[in-house]
Amino acid sequence: DTEVTQTPKHLVMGMTNKKSLKCEQHMGHRAMYWYKQKAKKPPELMFVYSYEKLSINESVPSRFSPECPNSSLLNLHLHALQPEDSALYLCASSQFPEGQASRNTIYFGEGSWLTVV
Amino acid sequence: EDKVVQSPLSLVVHEGDTVTLNCSYEVTNFRSLLWYKQEKKAPTFLFMLTSSGIEKKSGRLSSILDKKELFSILNITATQTGDSAIYLCAVALHGSSNTGKLIFGQGTTLQVKP
Repeated sequence: DTEVTQTPKHLVMGMTNKKSLKCEQHMGHRAMYWYKQKAKKPPELMFVYSYEKLSINESVPSRFSPECPNSSLLNLHLHALQPEDSALYLCASSQFPEGQASRNTIYFGEGSWLTVV
Repeated sequence: EDKVVQSPLSLVVHEGDTVTLNCSYEVTNFRSLLWYKQEKKAPTFLFMLTSSGIEKKSGRLSSILDKKELFSILNITATQTGDSAIYLCAVALHGSSNTGKLIFGQGTTLQVKP
């Protein structure tokens, strides 16, 4: 089972709203990631959590706030977003943050399509 | 600056054709190269390559890495309409400061016509 589950699949929010994206994996992976993907562009890394601690923040604006409540869950809290933040938000996980490449494939969830109006 | 370049950017073939997708990279601290297939949702993992010259195969798909010339190819034989997708190449980097970073190429959009 290589499943990363994301909810909701689609979200429309206003610029003053507060919402959250959720991600869950039960593979025992210790690294979890948020990526953002705009249309016809490759995914761009936003955040990395390693053993439930934030290890990388790719200079993401503070209107995006990640949270890792436990080793299986990863949230992305959204507040005061802009229309240009509309994108596909992908959660991913891997067994280890580092380590042997042969065991460290990154698996993606199906994504949450976010539209900011 | 680390970069991954894929070619061609788009490709239209007919069912039964064989296609070769290219991925070249220039990165520091190379760890592995990954191929993903993306349809209308999230990328799905195809292959991870770490060693030169060793072909990885899954059904009609195969891939190989050349670490000397810094490129990889993804071959699809006897293409089917279900192979239509964007194929993403990504390079994973070594080092604690690079944890979890995948440098993606632009993707190759493959359309297989009946």
